[in-house]
Amino acid sequence: QKEVEQDPGPLSVPEGAIVSLNCTYSNSAFQYFMWYRQYSRKGPELLMYTYSSGNKEDGRFTAQVDKSSKYISLFIRDSQPSDSATYLCAMSALNSGGSNYKLTFGKGTLLTVNP
Amino acid sequence: DTGVSQDPRHKITKRGQNVTFRCDPISEHNRLYWYRQTLGQGPEFLTYFQNEAQLEKSRLLSDRFSAERPKGSFSTLEIQRTEQGDSAMYLCASRIAGGYEQYFGPGTRLTVT
Repeated sequence: QKEVEQDPGPLSVPEGAIVSLNCTYSNSAFQYFMWYRQYSRKGPELLMYTYSSGNKEDGRFTAQVDKSSKYISLFIRDSQPSDSATYLCAMSALNSGGSNYKLTFGKGTLLTVNP
Repeated sequence: DTGVSQDPRHKITKRGQNVTFRCDPISEHNRLYWYRQTLGQGPEFLTYFQNEAQLEKSRLLSDRFSAERPKGSFSTLEIQRTEQGDSAMYLCASRIAGGYEQYFGPGTRLTVT
């Protein structure tokens, strides 16, 4: 079993829809959770980051973390064609020796928002 | 542009050749990471620098791979005797001390023929 599981999709929605993207994980040491957006052949762009459990909102984006269920989500409201990209969840733990914070990623979900 | 930069953006090489990639992190970021991403997969951790010290290497980093960060600023990743399986996107990321969020560069896409 991989440490981070993410449904690769593809996911296709009409413009204006609410999109829900999810990841599950198995390593209970993960404390820091991030969502990245990656356009084709580009580097990942940091969208949202949260520490521990709870919700965080930024414009049309809401990130949720449920550590008890080892489940994280990203919601996109009023989705736009420009949101079409691959969305990667990533998480990290403080390593035993200090401050590594290396990221473990899901496979990414390919999202298409149709006009 | 004050983001992470990588050079070259694309490299095509023949099997058996050596290649070197460069990463320039965000200027105040003293933590630097290299990741590798293959098609349809998320990035995988390769190695981590704190200033000029290489503090962790993944077992993905075979002895054909070497990374340096000589003055704690830019970093280089060298692959010797390239193999077709090395074809991937090589990503560099940096973060500031005391922060945990990482910012990625545009990547170097390596194609080994």
